[in-house]
Amino acid sequence: DAGVTQSPTHLIKTRGQQVTLRCSPKSGHDTVSWYQQALGQGPQFIFQYYEEEERQRGNFPDRFSGHQFPNYSSELNVNALLLGDSALYLCASSGPQGNTEAFFGQGTRLTVV
Amino acid sequence: ILNVEQSPQSLHVQEGDSTNFTCSFPSSNFYALHWYRWETAKSPEALFVMTLNGDEKKKGRISATLNTKEGYSYLYIKGSQPEDSATYLCAFMGIGANNLFFGTGTRLTVIP
Repeated sequence: DAGVTQSPTHLIKTRGQQVTLRCSPKSGHDTVSWYQQALGQGPQFIFQYYEEEERQRGNFPDRFSGHQFPNYSSELNVNALLLGDSALYLCASSGPQGNTEAFFGQGTRLTVV
Repeated sequence: ILNVEQSPQSLHVQEGDSTNFTCSFPSSNFYALHWYRWETAKSPEALFVMTLNGDEKKKGRISATLNTKEGYSYLYIKGSQPEDSATYLCAFMGIGANNLFFGTGTRLTVIP
């Protein structure tokens, strides 16, 4: 079992560009959540996907969008990148019940210059 | 906006010392409290998921308690080892929510 895998591990983008981050959940998990961790902060919830639909969304602008595929993998897209979008983006997978642990990937480090 | 606070922000202990940190969270609308351990360059790893007031959980030298009425959880590490060095995150989940609200973490360094 490969656990949660994210790609790429690092990338550098220029302000105004668009970026796509990818996540494959742990085998058997159907729910994928995305978090942003800025420097000095805890992870902040962006949104969660279940059954290929956005089930819940945190306080992030519409520039942040996502998708879930039939195989439960997910993408996070960020348009019109700002310097403040520089952060570690974590993907977590879980079963549908909230009282079970979430399994995290190692994250994608995005730097916007 | 939910407020989940962890203290201390960081601490250094000597190998063999026991230590504990605190997580405070809203006492209303409680559903679950998660603890994660996050080593540098690795993924956050779940330690405990706690749901019941008065719950106590243990995994090896690490244990946690939960008080949902007053909104706090303690994480204890007995006989700290250098491999315990990591950031420990707690996360609150409310009733009807599907997301975790994280604290900023406690960064533990165990000095050999």
